Amino acid sequence: AQSVSQHNHHVILSEAASLELGCNYSYGGTVNLFWYVQYPGQHLQLLLKYFSGDPLVKGIKGFEAEFIKSKFSFNLRKPSVQWSDTAEYFCAARFMDTGRRALTFGSGTRLQVQP
Amino acid sequence: DAGVTQSPTHLIKTRGQQVTLRCSPKSGHDTVSWYQQALGQGPQFIFQYYEEEERQRGNFPDRFSGHQFPNYSSELNVNALLLGDSALYLCASSLNPGGTDTQYFGPGTRLTVL
Repeated sequence: AQSVSQHNHHVILSEAASLELGCNYSYGGTVNLFWYVQYPGQHLQLLLKYFSGDPLVKGIKGFEAEFIKSKFSFNLRKPSVQWSDTAEYFCAARFMDTGRRALTFGSGTRLQVQP
Repeated sequence: DAGVTQSPTHLIKTRGQQVTLRCSPKSGHDTVSWYQQALGQGPQFIFQYYEEEERQRGNFPDRFSGHQFPNYSSELNVNALLLGDSALYLCASSLNPGGTDTQYFGPGTRLTVL
């Protein structure tokens, strides 16, 4: 069955450190990929998305992600994190060729940025 | 521009009871999807409504049912509540369930079953 994996469950960084959160999916067909963020007490917000084209996508708040088809990965990056980036990050995929339009989410990565 | 709204914010029920959760989609959106997010987990797809019909369903029992109204708002009903139904229920809206729609999420309803 198709799935999304986020192997880093809890990441602790100091301010100004670089961030990379891993996301892998298991599916050989066409995918739409998303990163959502959930700040404490707030709802899920879309950070960025990939449908097709340039595999390097830029999102809000300085985040970017790279789609590497050969590695079935869509890792999220930010060159320099801020305390305000403390949140839970979810990777999600839509597996297009299955006909399903629902999103499949990973289990999330909790990012804690220390001042 | 109003985003996705959900009501109520919190709800406490006892086992065996029934619950109805409500969702109003983002302005201009016509498709509503419901997700269940258990503590420490990512959201899991329950079902999706478009044109007042259930279009797709995840791996949830028939105790979970829904409805979409002509104004695109939606309800999620859960019958015979179990302790394991305690979770955050998220509504997401999008513009038609086509291949490249983007889902926008509401704040959720926190359901506690005692």
